[in-house]
Amino acid sequence: LAKTTQPISMDSYEGQEVNITCSHNNIATNDYITWYQQFPSQGPRFIIQGYKTKVTNEVASLFIPADRKSSTLSLPRVSLSDTAVYYCLVGDPYGNFNKFYFGSGTKLNVKP
Amino acid sequence: GAVVSQHPSRVICKSGTSVKIECRSLDFQATTMFWYRQFPKQSLMLMATSNEGSKATYEQGVEKDKFLINHASLTLSTLTVTSAHPEDSSFYICSARVPDRENTEAFFGQGTRLTVV
Repeated sequence: LAKTTQPISMDSYEGQEVNITCSHNNIATNDYITWYQQFPSQGPRFIIQGYKTKVTNEVASLFIPADRKSSTLSLPRVSLSDTAVYYCLVGDPYGNFNKFYFGSGTKLNVKP
Repeated sequence: GAVVSQHPSRVICKSGTSVKIECRSLDFQATTMFWYRQFPKQSLMLMATSNEGSKATYEQGVEKDKFLINHASLTLSTLTVTSAHPEDSSFYICSARVPDRENTEAFFGQGTRLTVV
């Protein structure tokens, strides 16, 4: 199972762009990379998913280098409401993908 | 988007009693659901995989007789914490994926806060 490593915490200010990097050195060929956001006392919420290069949606961008051993979640112009824990997960969507093993996650603290 | 709902959102029970937590997929059928436990300021820990019509698969270290899982229909999985003790107090979360969808994201329930007194 691919293991992920993320910084435990990050601080930012409102309006800044935040980049959270995740390391997954033993990612398998069929694995996708998915990022989730979790607020206290709530279930995780899907942010973005990708396999390689760059993926962008209405809330974030995901950058994946060619070797896929890491990925970077980019949150543009964060606000106070983006204070949360962000999890990076890897898994095979056509296998038992949902059997996510969560890493420690990154606690993002957005300051005014 | 697809919705996974848990009930109850909070429950307090006395030590020694059993508590049932429900996880429902509201607008899709889920042959497989997953149960997680999360202690304060910690990450989610996968407990078991719930399979419709068959026995659940438990992760190493999780007592199957303690945490009973039933997945009797394609839209409902239940987790029963039997003979609960204070150390079982935790945040329990379920998840499911919409089958046969190109988008392979997992949907999570809102969680159930269990407090054993």
